[in-house]
Amino acid sequence: DVKVTQSSRYLVKRTGEKVFLECVQDMDHENMFWYRQDPGLGLRLIYFSYDVKMKEKGDIPEGYSVSREKKERFSLILESASTNQTSMYLCASSPRGGLKAEAFFGQGTRLTVV
Amino acid sequence: AQSVAQPEDQVNVAEGNPLTVKCTYSVSGNPYLFWYVQYPNRGLQFLLKYITGDNLVKGSYGFEAEFNKSQTSFHLKKPSALVSDSALYFCAVQYNFNKFYFGSGTKLNVKP
Repeated sequence: DVKVTQSSRYLVKRTGEKVFLECVQDMDHENMFWYRQDPGLGLRLIYFSYDVKMKEKGDIPEGYSVSREKKERFSLILESASTNQTSMYLCASSPRGGLKAEAFFGQGTRLTVV
Repeated sequence: AQSVAQPEDQVNVAEGNPLTVKCTYSVSGNPYLFWYVQYPNRGLQFLLKYITGDNLVKGSYGFEAEFNKSQTSFHLKKPSALVSDSALYFCAVQYNFNKFYFGSGTKLNVKP
């Protein structure tokens, strides 16, 4: 069974903290994504990676960075957490040449910044 | 530029009745369209996709979707709704070979 695993289901962090969200996939997929989900806004792409050490900014990259040192792992970093980053974060993966192929999602991390 | 619109925030339907969740899209080139479902506090699960061919696409859990090129729509349908179908549904379009653009989501409420 294919799997995308996010390290935490729930996180509570303080304003100004550096926060790491981890995601691991076991499908040998080249593409990995970080989305943010907010009510009424759907999913918005934060960052996309198409290979190890390769990344592209999505629609809302401000305040975030990413790291992909290994193919199976994609980390989202909040350099200095702020309350407006309280949200549900979803990681996903898909195969390269992934046109027409669906993405597989992790269970999500609900982050609260206080 | 690509976009997806889900015009209804919420859809209410009685169990046993047919359901439709609407989606319209705008994309340059051929559209590759997807539907996902999200249950509370969970990630998204793939339901079905349209790539090419038949305009009626069948997917998981008895869902199907109708692609209409002239109306640029990709509506999700099910002939007979179940209470367990209650969830959040997202339409998405694939672009730039790899990325996905999602709609705002539609909450489906199926009442017994």
